[in-house]
Amino acid sequence: NAGVMQNPRHLVRRRGQEARLRCSPMKGHSHVYWYRQLPEEGLKFMVYLQKENIIDESGMPKERFSAEFPKEGPSILRIQQVVRGDSAAYFCASSPSGGSDTIYFGEGSWLTVV
Amino acid sequence: GEDVEQSLFLSVREGDSSVINCTYTDSSSTYLYWYKQEPGAGLQLLTYIFSNMDMKQDQRLTVLLNKKDKHLSLRIADTQTGDSAIYFCAEFLLRGYQKVTFGIGTKLQVIP
Repeated sequence: NAGVMQNPRHLVRRRGQEARLRCSPMKGHSHVYWYRQLPEEGLKFMVYLQKENIIDESGMPKERFSAEFPKEGPSILRIQQVVRGDSAAYFCASSPSGGSDTIYFGEGSWLTVV
Repeated sequence: GEDVEQSLFLSVREGDSSVINCTYTDSSSTYLYWYKQEPGAGLQLLTYIFSNMDMKQDQRLTVLLNKKDKHLSLRIADTQTGDSAIYFCAEFLLRGYQKVTFGIGTKLQVIP
């Protein structure tokens, strides 16, 4: 009964490259959330997705960031043309439904832009 | 609006009790969580409390909730060096789906 799996755990990208972060929710979970933790800060909500639908992307930067949760496969958070300010830990969480009482977090993906 | 505030730093001696405080603004919160994060690691859910409860105890952890003042606290009894970490308070709002708002985190330092 694996938990929320994120990969890669650590990713280094040069400025201008693309970063792709993957999240496999817990078995039976069809709701995925992405959060970002900037250095020395708390977690900030980015986006909430259900299978094939983006429900709330109010926390996503307007440019360069996108997220998807296809019918098959993991959820992907994609950052195009990365800049140093994108360096952060990106956490994925999942829940079985939108109204359940707990969401479960993955171990996070640490992105470093050099 | 949704806002969760915590003090940034707390230092205690090993064996003493630690109390980490948190205030939140949205009275429609349904659950309030405490997470622990060790350096370079993910979030570990420590405990959570329903908004209709005043207190919850789980071994060394005691959570107190004052809904009137929108104040939440986490007490760790007999604090150990392994408790050194950042502790995040988070409020859970049901807006058709769960939306979790985190505080900035309190760094707990345990002095041997």
